[in-house]
Amino acid sequence: GAGVSQSPRYKVAKRGQDVALRCDPISGHVSLFWYQQALGQGPEFLTYFQNEAQLDKSGLPSDRFFAERPEGSVSTLKIQRTQQEDSAVYLCASSLVASGELFFGEGSRLTVL
Amino acid sequence: GNSVTQMEGPVTLSEEAFLTINCTYTATGYPSLFWYVQYPGEGLQLLLKATKADDKGSNKGFEATYRKETTSFHLEKGSVQVSDSAVYFCALSERGAGGTSYGKLTFGQGTILTVHP
Repeated sequence: GAGVSQSPRYKVAKRGQDVALRCDPISGHVSLFWYQQALGQGPEFLTYFQNEAQLDKSGLPSDRFFAERPEGSVSTLKIQRTQQEDSAVYLCASSLVASGELFFGEGSRLTVL
Repeated sequence: GNSVTQMEGPVTLSEEAFLTINCTYTATGYPSLFWYVQYPGEGLQLLLKATKADDKGSNKGFEATYRKETTSFHLEKGSVQVSDSAVYFCALSERGAGGTSYGKLTFGQGTILTVHP
């Protein structure tokens, strides 16, 4: 499809497990973002890539969170040793140029038991 | 720091009613302002935007005016439809060094709108 694609859509993990969430942005989009959305809240910024360069990771909540975009296209958000407070919807967004007009995927819902 | 405050929801209206969703913001610089909408089962999508004071963003019958003096960006629609039922998010983006916003958005908590026939 032509939109931002995220997988898996749903992930259940036991506390302490590592998880990896994938984002396939719109083809040709230079900028890629990850946001975290807790239940009943607005999305919160995690990190930003321009091509393969991670230019802003100020929103990553701890060193258990790691994101990469090695070839400037697909991105992976990895969470190590998951905790219950990591339960949220993780949103990926991309844009053609650096602006506030983002195209969002449907998100990956992570539940940590 | 930056913050966005939206009116508490949920909001329930009858079709053809007038809609206002209030949004106020706090920003250290001169932000761009946005309304995003999330329809059931879909991802967030941009509804409208305004990049400077007194700009009016509009789309699909929705409007919002950038009011710097009151730090507000209230969303309005004159006659809502059942298909407008969704969650609405107000957001701001600080400008980068080049004067444009690069997409690091600060969102409000969202307002659930339900429109009944």
